[in-house]
This record gives sequence, C-alpha cells and structure tokens, in this order.
Amino acid sequence: DTAVSQTPKYLVTQMGNDKSIKCEQNLGHDTMYWYKQDSKKFLKIMFSYNNKELIINETVPNRFSPKSPDKAHLNLHINSLELGDSAVYFCASSQGAGSSNEKLFFGSGTQLSVL
Amino acid sequence: AQSVTQPDIHITVSEGASLELRCNYSYGATPYLFWYVQSPGQGLQLLLKYFSGDTLVQGIKGFEAEFKRSQSSFNLRKPSVHWSDAAEYFCAVGYFSGGYNKLIFGAGTRLAVHP
Repeated sequence: DTAVSQTPKYLVTQMGNDKSIKCEQNLGHDTMYWYKQDSKKFLKIMFSYNNKELIINETVPNRFSPKSPDKAHLNLHINSLELGDSAVYFCASSQGAGSSNEKLFFGSGTQLSVL
Repeated sequence: AQSVTQPDIHITVSEGASLELRCNYSYGATPYLFWYVQSPGQGLQLLLKYFSGDTLVQGIKGFEAEFKRSQSSFNLRKPSVHWSDAAEYFCAVGYFSGGYNKLIFGAGTRLAVHP
C-alpha cells in the first residue's frame, strides 16, 4: 500500500483554468505538507497542516488554496492557473507536529503543465 | 538567512567507485541535517539524518554522512556506488524560525553512474 498517494500524476491544462490535486496518507501522521519543485529541481515548502490546522503558509499566491478535510487528507486547489505554476507538486507527511527534526514521507508527485 | 548549498549540480561516477556529494549550510546554531534521494518519477526518500551526537551517521543503502561544524558541511559518502544509485540527491536543513519549524532543501545533485 502506498503511504502517501497523490492524484493525478500528470495534469495538463490551459491558462486560466481551475484545478485540484488530491493527497492522502495512510500512515496516521499528524502533519501534511505541499512542496513545489520547479524546473531546476529546487524544492520549496508551500503549506503545512497539523491536524487540519494551517501552520505554515510560505507567501504562496492566494490562487492556491489548501484544504484539509481530515488529518489524512490535504488537497490543493489552484485558481486561474498561470504558466509559472507549471512544476511538480509534492505532498508529504510527518508523524509529529511538523518539527524541524522530523522525517518526511513524500508522495510521487504531480507534474502540472500549464499551456 | 538560512541556506543550503550543493555545489555540484551533476556528478558522474563509474560503478564501484567511491562517491562524495557535498553540502554546505548557513545557520547560526546546529541545525537538523538530512539527505534525501529522489529516483526518476518518484518522491523523495530519506537516506539519513543528523540531530546530535556522533558526527558520522549511517543511513540506508550503504550511505553515510559526516557533520563538520567547523566547515558547516554535511557531505554524503558511499564507498562503492551501484548503478541503482543513479538519482537526484538533496541535502536539507531543519530549523526553527519566525515561530515555525522549517525545512529547506538544496538545489540537488544529479548522480549518473557509468557501467
């Protein structure tokens, strides 16, 4: 069974559209994250949720809205997609409260291409 | 500001040769240090981590890393590389700042292995 699963794996869409990426973890972890990996492989934190509560929001445009219906799910909705949103988006989870010493478990990524 | 630098963007080694991937960080105190590996089309997987204690840490897949405070470095090593080690390697630093626990990643080093 996949520990952190995200769907879809690939997402191709037009500029201006609205799209969602879903993430689920079956590890019983308390904290979930969204990371963005750009074309140069640089990974940057976007959001972090602990028990459905937002704890990190790293100056991401408000077109990006995370939603955590329960602590096993953290979905990412993106409004009015722009070319610069093209990237690989990774969901991750960790066991505790998002401490800086925690091991992260990553999903396999969603490759978003905005045309 | 905190930062992580991986000086080598791309490294190629022969199978069976030794490997060292460099990582330098900038942080006022002793950070939490990690190495993650990303295989093509996959999410990141933790290889090893350093929090305190013995400065030489052992990880999975035969990897080890050594924390050197005087050099602000946390280089990853493997005595004999296997073809399956070809992947992207990320050094990361965990720290507490602005009321949040954060994890920042280096830009990654792509490892190619020649038969």
